[in-house]
Order: sequence, then C-alpha cells, then structure tokens
Amino acid sequence: AQSVTQLDSQVPVFEEAPVELRCNYSSSVSVYLFWYVQYPNQGLQLLLKYLSGSTLVKGINGFEAEFNKSQTSFHLRKPSVHISDTAEYFCAVSDYLQRGAGNMLTFGGGTRLMVKP
Amino acid sequence: SQTIHQWPATLVQPVGSPLSLECTVEGTSNPNLYWYRQAAGRGLQLLFYSVGIGQISSEVPQNLSASRPQDRQFILSSKKLLLSDSGFYLCAWDESLGSTGELFFGEGSRLTVL
Repeated sequence: AQSVTQLDSQVPVFEEAPVELRCNYSSSVSVYLFWYVQYPNQGLQLLLKYLSGSTLVKGINGFEAEFNKSQTSFHLRKPSVHISDTAEYFCAVSDYLQRGAGNMLTFGGGTRLMVKP
Repeated sequence: SQTIHQWPATLVQPVGSPLSLECTVEGTSNPNLYWYRQAAGRGLQLLFYSVGIGQISSEVPQNLSASRPQDRQFILSSKKLLLSDSGFYLCAWDESLGSTGELFFGEGSRLTVL
C-alpha cells in the first residue's frame, strides 16, 4: 500500500515570490504521480502528472514538479506566484499493480497556498 | 470529449431528512466511478467506488450508500442525514482499462445539514 505526505498544511507567500509545495510518498512498487489544484467551491483540476521519462514535469499555469525516486519526493514549484494561484493543492500517487481494479489513487492531505499582495 | 456532471451544486437539508446526489459521465464507456467527501478544513475522503453496474465498494462505514443503476450514473444517498454529513461531495471517474489512475472530477455538491 502507498501513502502520501504533504508536509505543509498551509503556505503563505507574497505575490511574485517563488514557492515550493512539498510531497513525499511511500510505495513498494513503481508509481504514477499527480498534482491537482482545487479553487474554492470547485472540483479538482489536474495540474501535472509524472508517468515516465523526464523527471522534470511541466504543467499548467507555470507550475512544474520534479520526481526524485531516491528521495521518494514529487515537489511542486512555481518561480513567481500570482494572487490567482491561491487554492488548495493535492499530491497523489497511483499504484501500477492496482490497474483496472479501481481505487488506484491515494491523496495527500492537501496544502493551502495563500498568496498575499 | 468526456464530461462529468454533478447535481445539485448546493443543498441545505435538515437532520433526519433523506439525500440524493447524482453524477453522470458522458463520452466514455464503463468508467470507474468514485464519491469523495471533503469536510471543512480536511482532505479528501474516499467514500465509495464502482468498477461496473451494480458493483459498489465502500471505504468508510457510515449512514451513506451508493448505487450505480446505469453504466455512467452514480448516486449517493442517505435515508436520514446527520450533522456530520455536512461537507463538499465530489464525484470522479477514471478509465477502467489502461488507466494511469488519473481521476477526472465533477464540480462538487456542497451539502449543509442543519
């Protein structure tokens, strides 16, 4: 079974500053990795995903994440945030072995990014 | 392209009343379907998932139930709501074959139990 830890429940940052949201996972098998964003009173929207290949993944809205297998991490970064990036961010991992069985995705507890003017 | 619809978007119900939230997916066949809940200030809690018509797996014992009467329809129900049922309910789907686990979410239904 896998688990996902998002180390920071809240991250306050000033507009135009860089930000990193941390995500660590544990799994005994190879995994796929995802970051989702949730704006207030909305569903979750995929930001980016790592399936294979280059460990640096670029997503929407200027976000990127780097897969580090040795550290079992998938941290999300943005060099300069905007007020509109204020939202909840969820890291998630899915397990190759559960393919087709349903319930593949395990979510972290979420990180609330608060961008201040 | 695939779309997912949830309704109602908001709902205010008294304690002890019944509940029915509906979710439909368009543009795909035989999806896996999911119901999640977010309580205030908390993360995502998986409630139910379904890999086919009439097949429901429950992740958390509670007074909620789910049904899948058609391939692309998923319903969340309760006979008697509790205050603790308040929250934001999200329906989601993924591919049953060749899936990477990526979930596609609906817009959510906010339930307030008074």
